[in-house]
Amino acid sequence: GDSVTQMEGPVTLSEEAFLTINCTYTATGYPSLFWYVQYPGEGLQLLLKATKADDKGSNKGFEATYRKETTSFHLEKGSVQVSDSAVYFCAESLGYSTLTFGKGTMLLVSP
Amino acid sequence: DAGVTQSPTHLIKTRGQQVTLRCSPKSGHDTVSWYQQALGQGPQFIFQYYEEEERQRGNFPDRFSGHQFPNYSSELNVNALLLGDSALYLCASSLLVTSYEQYFGPGTRLTVT
Repeated sequence: GDSVTQMEGPVTLSEEAFLTINCTYTATGYPSLFWYVQYPGEGLQLLLKATKADDKGSNKGFEATYRKETTSFHLEKGSVQVSDSAVYFCAESLGYSTLTFGKGTMLLVSP
Repeated sequence: DAGVTQSPTHLIKTRGQQVTLRCSPKSGHDTVSWYQQALGQGPQFIFQYYEEEERQRGNFPDRFSGHQFPNYSSELNVNALLLGDSALYLCASSLLVTSYEQYFGPGTRLTVT
């Protein structure tokens, strides 16, 4: 079946460092791609999305570009803050189907 | 505008018991999906309801069942609880036509002892 693979964490960074979290997917066709964020003790919040190849999703300084040729959707941020500490999930959805999530990557940002 | 709400927040049950979890979707949404999130893992799809019918189902046994009511709210029932059912259960709502864009509730933490 379809799957999403993302880099294992935790990713530990200092404040204002550059962030990259890698994500690749296996679904054939043209799935929609998402990044969700989960803060401690909370549910998932949609961070950004892209629904077709070469689209760039962006929100709160985070960006990710839908790369069909490499089946990737890597999450980036130019300057992380302590408040960005959370678990980040990459997900895909094909057609009207539901979401398939990666295992999540924990980000820890220190002052 | 209220988002997705779930109840209860936490629940402790004993092996073999049955449990019911509840979800109210975001206003205007007609589709509800349920996910199980084990500790340290990503959410796993259980099933999705639309117009009071189960549309899709993930790889979960029949012990997991659900219901959707005319007001679009939903319940997840789990029978004969196992220790491995301990997890965070997430409800997500959406519109059917854009069901890839789902809004999640805070979840119900189920502990089976």
